[in-house]
Amino acid sequence: RKEVEQDPGPFNVPEGATVAFNCTYSNSASQSFFWYRQDCRKEPKLLMSVYSSGNEDGRFTAQLNRASQYISLLIRDSKLSDSATYLCVVVGNTGTASKLTFGTGTRLQVTL
Amino acid sequence: DTGVSQNPRHKITKRGQNVTFRCDPISEHNRLYWYRQTLGQGPEFLTYFQNEAQLEKSRLLSDRFSAERPKGSFSTLEIQRTEQGDSAMYLCASSLVNYGYTFGSGTRLTVV
Repeated sequence: RKEVEQDPGPFNVPEGATVAFNCTYSNSASQSFFWYRQDCRKEPKLLMSVYSSGNEDGRFTAQLNRASQYISLLIRDSKLSDSATYLCVVVGNTGTASKLTFGTGTRLQVTL
Repeated sequence: DTGVSQNPRHKITKRGQNVTFRCDPISEHNRLYWYRQTLGQGPEFLTYFQNEAQLEKSRLLSDRFSAERPKGSFSTLEIQRTEQGDSAMYLCASSLVNYGYTFGSGTRLTVV
């Protein structure tokens, strides 16, 4: 079983739609959680951190469920510029390491 | 400081040749990470430095791979006797503590 699992998509949605991505992780000792965005042939960039209490940044809402080991990202009022791959990222502390473990990413295509 | 810098941006090499990539992290960041990303996959952890000490290496990092960070600043990743399976994007990231990871633009390696 992969450490971080995501549906690879693609998710094709019209502009203005609401879309949700889910992610599960296997290591219950994981400490921190993030969503990264990656445009085609570019490096990943931090979109937002994810907290148990849920957090919102404009049209984006992230949620963590530690009991179910489940992370979600909701995008409201999708824009063409939201088209990208969204990577679920988990950080676990194993000894001195604090490496990022990425899912395969979920590809989003927003269309007119 | 313009962020994490990686050189070269692209490298095409013949199978069997050695290649070396360089990463210059954000100057005050003491942690430096190398990741590899192939098409359709999320980045996979290769190795991690805290200052000049290499603290963890993935099993993905075969004997042909070596990474250094001699003065705790820039880092190099060398691949000896390249194989076609080494073709990938090699990403470097730096951070100050467990948060605020910043990725470079990556070095895209093509082995022919």
